Amino acid sequence: DTGVSQNPRHKITKRGQNVTFRCDPISEHNRLYWYRQTLGQGPEFLTYFQNEAQLEKSRLLSDRFSAERPKGSFSTLEIQRTEQGDSAMYLCASSLVGGGAAAYGYTFGSGTRLTVV
Amino acid sequence: QKEVEQNSGPLSVPEGAIASLNCTYSDRGSQSFFWYRQYSGKSPELIMSIYSNGDKEDGRFTAQLNKASQYVSLLIRDSQPSDSATYLCAGATSGTYKYIFGTGTRLKVLA
Repeated sequence: DTGVSQNPRHKITKRGQNVTFRCDPISEHNRLYWYRQTLGQGPEFLTYFQNEAQLEKSRLLSDRFSAERPKGSFSTLEIQRTEQGDSAMYLCASSLVGGGAAAYGYTFGSGTRLTVV
Repeated sequence: QKEVEQNSGPLSVPEGAIASLNCTYSDRGSQSFFWYRQYSGKSPELIMSIYSNGDKEDGRFTAQLNKASQYVSLLIRDSQPSDSATYLCAGATSGTYKYIFGTGTRLKVLA
């Protein structure tokens, strides 16, 4: 297992179409995160899972966005009825949950760059 | 809105100099802090984590945390042109493990 894998690397879609991205985390990591990053900005939190449970979803995420992590393994992020404002890099990350107050660093995948035309 | 703030730069330093990158945060509940390096068109790569007040050194990198001042910094000694990238600061609140990222500081190391 060499890291977090995301597919596809690039996606160009027409406005109004649905798109789905896949993330395969590092196998021993039990937390999986989705972030979105636009040019000149830091990654913006979308949602995260511990095992198969979705623990938090950003208020910024409209109802057009949905994420799943069946069986606590890979995850998918679907965007329905895409809009030009959805164009961004979608980043997946995974981590271990540590004891106490410390949090372990994320390992990011290479990202999926979405362009909505 | 809990925020992490960074100067967007660019910060230009000559090769061999010390680069100093700074970050402030608003959430006093933040317990853990991370520095990521991001090359253009690539995903962020973790370079340092710090959880306690004081300094933490790893090779040419030193992270500094001052919880009273809500301030995190990253020092890069003997800067190299290959260090030219955007450096992202992130904080995590205990119990959520959700990182809040700053906008990043673009560093240019001039040969």
